Amino acid sequence: EVQLVESGGGVVQPGGSLRLSCQASGFTFSSYALNWVRQAPGKGLEWVSTISGAGGKSYYAPSVKGRFTVSRDKSKNTLHLQMDSLRVDDTAVYFCAKGGGPTVNFYWLDSWGQGTLVTVSS
Amino acid sequence: EIVLTQSPGTLSLSPGDGATLSCRASQNLTSRLLAWYQQKPGQAPRLLVHGASIRATGVPDRFTGSGSGTHFTLTISRLEAQDFAVYFCQQFGDSPLYTFGQGTKLEIK
Repeated sequence: EVQLVESGGGVVQPGGSLRLSCQASGFTFSSYALNWVRQAPGKGLEWVSTISGAGGKSYYAPSVKGRFTVSRDKSKNTLHLQMDSLRVDDTAVYFCAKGGGPTVNFYWLDSWGQGTLVTVSS
Repeated sequence: EIVLTQSPGTLSLSPGDGATLSCRASQNLTSRLLAWYQQKPGQAPRLLVHGASIRATGVPDRFTGSGSGTHFTLTISRLEAQDFAVYFCQQFGDSPLYTFGQGTKLEIK
């Protein structure tokens, strides 16, 4: 059974940093792209970032490009999202989601974690 | 950037009814690049359909995805209590890589 468990959320001041993690199990880690998708309170879904199965390619939404960095640790089956220069409008639940295959072409997100809440506030 | 517009915003129906949810794209989409998700309050989204019409594992056949070009539809037949939720469509594009529609809330009448 695929399991994705996010951690690292919390309250941070504008301009601050936070590092999210997603512990994965139940599938061959390197065979699937992994994604971060966020949802602001009461709002819809917004794609944030994707990293390929091998980790060689990463992609970002324009709203976070240059501020967020996605990475994956094959030895620990863990996905990370380093978030710097945080803004109030980054406040959201951040979900980790498994792609349908090793590259972004397998765009559907077939397993999701329960999410971790990031609150950016002074 | 391709924009996905879902309608209606809210759909009020009774158990046993059929539901038709619409997702319109601002540009033509390759059908295989359209997916649908269900999200219940306090839960993560759940994949229902990808490739516009391919049901995900474990999804009941009451859920049917269809469409092409700029208009896609998710049809749910014989609504059950657990079907009342928010539904999102998603497409794979260029920049941003993935976009979602704003969602349709399916509520009990």
